[in-house]
Formats: sequence, structure tokens, C-alpha cells
Amino acid sequence: AQTVTQSQPEMSVQEAETVTLSCTYDTSESDYYLFWYKQPPSRQMILVIRQEAYKQQNATENRFSVNFQKAAKSFSLKISDSQLGDAAMYFCAYQTSGSRLTFGEGTQLTVNP
Amino acid sequence: GAVVSQHPSRVICKSGTSVKIECRSLDFQATTMFWYRQFPKQSLMLMATSNEGSKATYEQGVEKDKFLINHASLTLSTLTVTSAHPEDSSFYICSARAFRTSGAAGDTQYFGPGTRLTVL
Repeated sequence: AQTVTQSQPEMSVQEAETVTLSCTYDTSESDYYLFWYKQPPSRQMILVIRQEAYKQQNATENRFSVNFQKAAKSFSLKISDSQLGDAAMYFCAYQTSGSRLTFGEGTQLTVNP
Repeated sequence: GAVVSQHPSRVICKSGTSVKIECRSLDFQATTMFWYRQFPKQSLMLMATSNEGSKATYEQGVEKDKFLINHASLTLSTLTVTSAHPEDSSFYICSARAFRTSGAAGDTQYFGPGTRLTVL
């Protein structure tokens, strides 16, 4: 079975600084998707970034970028120029085409002013 | 784009009553909708998967007679908590997965804002 591991239950960063959230996963599949979702205090799950495993290029969305290492089964999220609004629980998730999402346990990010 | 609405956002009911929660994909068609339950400071727990026009698939340990799911169209799924009891109090979240050609990112789940259910 696929598993997703987020080894950092909590992280903190100073406003305007950069922070990296870690995620590793286990799978025997070669084609799949990886996601980072953000859940702020409102509890709305927001898609931050999406990566297709067959693409070698790392996905980026404005201040958010990933470091996708397929061989190492690692998918970290880098947040640059952190803002107070980035404070949230971040979930890493894995999915093969047409299947369910497998979530990690989440990393609570605090942004200090 | 890729907006999912969920209604109501909050409901308080008496023990023994039934509660219906609606989940709609507003600007795309969803092949599949999912229902999750989330306890405080925990990850999402998948309850069931529903495809339009067919019966929902429930996860192990989820009572299908208690949590009735109807997926009547490509944009609407409902979850009915029947004869709710205090232990059913929780945060329920739906998501919708887009067709590859629907305008939203294919094979990607977009989430509703959630429903907080409190059973007295």
C-alpha cells in the first residue's frame, strides 16, 4: 500500500524568509500525482501545487515550488518570502490516476512576524 | 475556476435527527466525489467514494446505512447522516475530482469548505 510521510509535525518561519516542508512516499507505481494542500484555520483545503511524476521539471506556483526527487521518493515544498497568510496545516498527498488520495499526517506551519 | 461549494457550513441538531449535506462542483464536472471526516489536528479520513449514477463505495468501518450518499449528477453529491448521535459530531469535507478535459486540472481533487456538525 502507498504511504505518505511528513516527518515534521510543526515548523516555524520568520516572515519574508524561506521554509521547506518535507514529504516522502512509498509506491511501486511509476506514474502518479503528488500534491501539496494547505488547510488554514478556516479548514478549507486549498490546492497549493500539483506534480505529475512523469514530468522531470519541478512544479512552481508563484512563491511555492517543489523539489521532486522520484528515485528518492521525496517531494518537498519550498515557500519563499513567507507571509503571515501562509500559516496553515500543510498536507502532502499521493494519488495514482483514478484512485483515492493518500495523505500525510500534516505539518503545522507558523509564520512569525 | 475549480470551485466546490458545500452546504450548510455549520449545523446543530438534536440526537436522533437526520442531517443532509450538499456538495456541488460549481464550474466543472466531476467524475467522482469523495466524502471525508476530519477530527481536530488530524488528517482527513476518507469515508466514501461516489461516482455519478452508481452506488457509493464505503471505506471499512463506515456504516453505509448511517451515512447515505447520493450522487445524482456530475455536479452534485449529498451525504445524509441518519439518526445522528453525539459521536457523529465532526467536521465533514467533500471533494470533487475533475474530468481531464473539464477545464480544471484533471485527476485532481478540489475541496469544499467543510461542514461542522454538532449533535446535541
